[in-house]
Amino acid sequence: GDSVTQMEGPVTLSEEAFLTINCTYTATGYPSLFWYVQYPGEGLQLLLKATKADDKGSNKGFEATYRKETTSFHLEKGSVQVSDSAVYFCALSDRHGGKLIFGQGTTLQVKP
Amino acid sequence: NAGVTQTPKFRVLKTGQSMTLLCAQDMNHEYMYWYRQDPGMGLRLIHYSVGEGTTAKGEVPDGYNVSRLKKQNFLLGLESAAPSQTSVYFCASTLAGHPEAQYFGPGTRLTVL
Repeated sequence: GDSVTQMEGPVTLSEEAFLTINCTYTATGYPSLFWYVQYPGEGLQLLLKATKADDKGSNKGFEATYRKETTSFHLEKGSVQVSDSAVYFCALSDRHGGKLIFGQGTTLQVKP
Repeated sequence: NAGVTQTPKFRVLKTGQSMTLLCAQDMNHEYMYWYRQDPGMGLRLIHYSVGEGTTAKGEVPDGYNVSRLKKQNFLLGLESAAPSQTSVYFCASTLAGHPEAQYFGPGTRLTVL
């Protein structure tokens, strides 16, 4: 079945460092891809999305490009802040469009 | 506009006890979902509903039951709790055909002793 694999965390960075969180997927057909963020004690929030190959999703300085050839959707940010500390989830929508399949999550800790 | 709310926020049960988690949304969303979140495993879908009176199994449905008697409410029941059901439970809702735009509740932390 469809699945999402993320790099294991935690990821610890200093403020203003460059961030990459790897995400690869296995799916039948052409799913839409998403990144969600979960701040401490809260539910998940949609961060960005891409619905077809070569699309780039972006929001709050974060970017991810839908790479069909490598089945990847890596999350990047040029300069992280302490406030970016959170758990980040990569996800895809199933063929029928009704459900999301999540990766295991990657914890990011940014130190001042 | 409260969004998605979950009741209770915390609960401790003994093995074999039963309980119901309540999810309510005021956005007139058709689809509702129950997930569990465990360390290192991300979110796993337990059950979901695409409309009032309809429910379907997700990835990990065993040991849980659900009901969607009203469009705005989605109940998750544990008939006989087990320690393996210790987890954080999240409810989410969305408009039909937009799985990416799921609005999540704040979660319920359940411990089964």
